[in-house]
Amino acid sequence: AQSVSQHNHHVILSEAASLELGCNYSYGGTVNLFWYVQYPGQHLQLLLKYFSGDPLVKGIKGFEAEFIKSKFSFNLRKPSVQWSDTAEYFCAVTPSTGTYKYIFGTGTRLKVLA
Amino acid sequence: GAVVSQHPSRVICKSGTSVKIECRSLDFQATTMFWYRQFPKQSLMLMATSNEGSKATYEQGVEKDKFLINHASLTLSTLTVTSAHPEDSSFYICSLSGKETQYFGPGTRLLVL
Repeated sequence: AQSVSQHNHHVILSEAASLELGCNYSYGGTVNLFWYVQYPGQHLQLLLKYFSGDPLVKGIKGFEAEFIKSKFSFNLRKPSVQWSDTAEYFCAVTPSTGTYKYIFGTGTRLKVLA
Repeated sequence: GAVVSQHPSRVICKSGTSVKIECRSLDFQATTMFWYRQFPKQSLMLMATSNEGSKATYEQGVEKDKFLINHASLTLSTLTVTSAHPEDSSFYICSLSGKETQYFGPGTRLLVL
């Protein structure tokens, strides 16, 4: 069955610390990969996406993610987090063809301490 | 990206009543919209895919007679929770399918007493 797992449910970091959030997926075909962020009280916003090409993708607000096909992983990273990065982060996968029907991970709640 | 609105943002209703949630695309013509449900501390679960001018496609385990979806125009899809019960209390989010991604609405929190 198709699934997306995010290993870290809650992460607490101090400002300037580095961040890495794990995302692994299970799917028997070619996929497109996404990271979304949900700030408190706001709607989901796209951070970055991977469709093909360079497996290291850069997104908004200094975030990047690396697609490692052999590990079925798409981990999110940021070298130095800020208090304003406090939010919930969702990894999502869709098949490369057909409708963009997302499968979401369970989310990681990040709290950055000032 | 596209701007998506939902109305109402919060609704409280009595058990047994029906509630309609609207999802509007303000600046994009959406042939396909999606409806999700998010339980506290859990991920978004896709409920159904709403196609303009045709019947919605429901995910396994979602009762189509319970969650009525109408996508009558390219800018509006509605979700009606019929005969709501406390277990239907949740956060309902719509999205529309853009060129390569989805654009999400702010969500509607439903509380059924």
